[in-house]
Amino acid sequence: DIQMTQSPSTLSASVGDRVTITCRASQILNNWLAWYQQKPGKAPKLLIYKASSLESGVPSRFSGGGSGTEFTLSISSLQPDDFATYYCQQYKTYPVTFGGGTKVEIK
Amino acid sequence: EVQLVESGGGLVQPGGSLRLSCEGSGFTFSSYWMSWFRQAPGQGLEWVANIKQDGSAKYYVDSVKGRFTVSRDNAKNSLYLQMSDLGAEDTAVYYCARYADSGPTTDPWGQGTLVTVSS
Repeated sequence: DIQMTQSPSTLSASVGDRVTITCRASQILNNWLAWYQQKPGKAPKLLIYKASSLESGVPSRFSGGGSGTEFTLSISSLQPDDFATYYCQQYKTYPVTFGGGTKVEIK
Repeated sequence: EVQLVESGGGLVQPGGSLRLSCEGSGFTFSSYWMSWFRQAPGQGLEWVANIKQDGSAKYYVDSVKGRFTVSRDNAKNSLYLQMSDLGAEDTAVYYCARYADSGPTTDPWGQGTLVTVSS
């Protein structure tokens, strides 16, 4: 199975900050990497697919980068609506696996 | 509007069975791969199963193989997850999700249904 490791597990930031979350895979993913946002009590929402492609309707302050085994999710200017937990997911091979999540909290 | 609505969750005893349903609307259900995911209380996300548009291909995470069966009825726009030999480790919110138009990721997801395995 491909192991996904996210860092940090918790991130404290202020509105307007630029934040970056890192995700490392145990194997090369060929960019088959997605990012999801989840708010408490809600279902996850797809933000980024194929490592860097923005899902339709997602604000442009979100961006994905990286390649190989190391990937990033960046939020250029944190908004109040962005405080949530973020998960990376590899979908190169079965089983599909997720990182442990990064909770973005208000500083 | 694309919508997925899960049902069938509840309290079940260890060793028991449960069938979850997911009804889709607002899209051509038979055109999409579908998935089940779960999230244990306070924990992260776990993929459970995928099923191809016509049901001819199914994939499962190892921890549920032989106990869970994914199926679909395209005429009813419905996805199912038959769960048996349930244990405490299966306690979770179960989400169904549709493959995204953009590729083999999943979006949207349903609101989830809680399965609690306890005596």
